[in-house]
Amino acid sequence: DVKVTQSSRYLVKRTGEKVFLECVQDMDHENMFWYRQDPGLGLRLIYFSYDVKMKEKGDIPEGYSVSREKKERFSLILESASTNQTSMYLCASSLERDGRYGYTFGSGTRLTVV
Amino acid sequence: GESVGLHLPTLSVQEGDNSIINCAYSNSASDYFIWYKQESGKGPQFIIDIRSNMDKRQGQRVTVLLNKTVKHLSLQIAATQPGDSAVYFCAGTNGSSNTGKLIFGQGTTLQVKP
Repeated sequence: DVKVTQSSRYLVKRTGEKVFLECVQDMDHENMFWYRQDPGLGLRLIYFSYDVKMKEKGDIPEGYSVSREKKERFSLILESASTNQTSMYLCASSLERDGRYGYTFGSGTRLTVV
Repeated sequence: GESVGLHLPTLSVQEGDNSIINCAYSNSASDYFIWYKQESGKGPQFIIDIRSNMDKRQGQRVTVLLNKTVKHLSLQIAATQPGDSAVYFCAGTNGSSNTGKLIFGQGTTLQVKP
């Protein structure tokens, strides 16, 4: 069964901490994505990557960075966590760059910044 | 800009009834659509997809209908069960083969009454 695995289901971090959210996929997909999900706002794209060492800004990249050193791993970094980054974070990967065949999502990481 | 939107934020149905969840999109170049189901505390999971060269596609208890003339798609769930209670998202390609991404609707919460 193909999988996208997010390293943590729940995280609690303090304001100002540097936070790493890890995502690993075993489908040999080139395309990977990070979204945050908030009530009433739906899924908002933070960053995405179409290849190793490649990254592109999504719709809300401020306060975040990413790292893609290996094809299977895409990390989201909160440089200095703030309370407004409390959210559900979803990682996804896809076979095709244009989204055909859809995305496979991880289970999500619920981050609380206190 | 491009959008994919769901018509109702919440839909409440009786167990055993059929459910219909609607979605509209704005980009006539969108040629692939997908429905996701997201249960509480989990990541979105693929339900069914459809390409723009089709009007209808059926799965197990689910049917997706696509009306390209009015840019509308719907998800029909037959004999709705308590396990169908979840948030349902539609998503569509943005029509770009090279830099395209899926565009997500905000989600409809389906509540199944016993």
